[in-house]
Amino acid sequence: GAVVSQHPSRVICKSGTSVKIECRSLDFQATTMFWYRQFPKQSLMLMATSNEGSKATYEQGVEKDKFLINHASLTLSTLTVTSAHPEDSSFYICSASPPGGATLHEQFFGPGTRLTVL
Amino acid sequence: KQEVTQIPAALSVPEGENLVLNCSFTDSAIYNLQWFRQDPGKGLTSLLLIQSSQREQTSGRLNASLDKSSGRSTLYIAASQPGDSATYLCAVEGSGSRLTFGEGTQLTVNP
Repeated sequence: GAVVSQHPSRVICKSGTSVKIECRSLDFQATTMFWYRQFPKQSLMLMATSNEGSKATYEQGVEKDKFLINHASLTLSTLTVTSAHPEDSSFYICSASPPGGATLHEQFFGPGTRLTVL
Repeated sequence: KQEVTQIPAALSVPEGENLVLNCSFTDSAIYNLQWFRQDPGKGLTSLLLIQSSQREQTSGRLNASLDKSSGRSTLYIAASQPGDSATYLCAVEGSGSRLTFGEGTQLTVNP
């Protein structure tokens, strides 16, 4: 089956630093990747849609200059949280759609990255 | 704006019991509805996907139904086991492949 990985699984950083999270599709090419954020006891909220070779589409209320998304290849998308603050502490999950997957409406989810900003 | 609600927020049952989780959504213009399982601190495991033209899907002890016109779905778990303990999330897909998630039902199955 389709496998999506994320790295790192956990990261702790100081306030003001930047953190990069990687999302990789291991056995398929992903033309579209999605980034979600999940606060404790809450559900997943879509942050942005990442399309290979083009700019990401951000959801309303998500700061594109703070959450930088790069989808440089068909197997890798990165989310960089710039100048992280404690309120950015959350669980970040990515998902990926294989070619035709977005049409078939299939998304495969990564295991998530727990970010803690001190 | 699509809103997804799940009831109950938490459920605790003895092992062996059959149970039903509920999901409702406000905008019936969906492509599909999915049920996921999430273990603490982990990612999502897809359980069942119901296309908008379908009424139900079954996988093992799980059965999910969809009534698109009324904006409702149920996930039925038969003969529950302690290993079923997890948070169950319902999500609907709208335009642009966007998934809108409910806040989940936290299930505990007691041995």
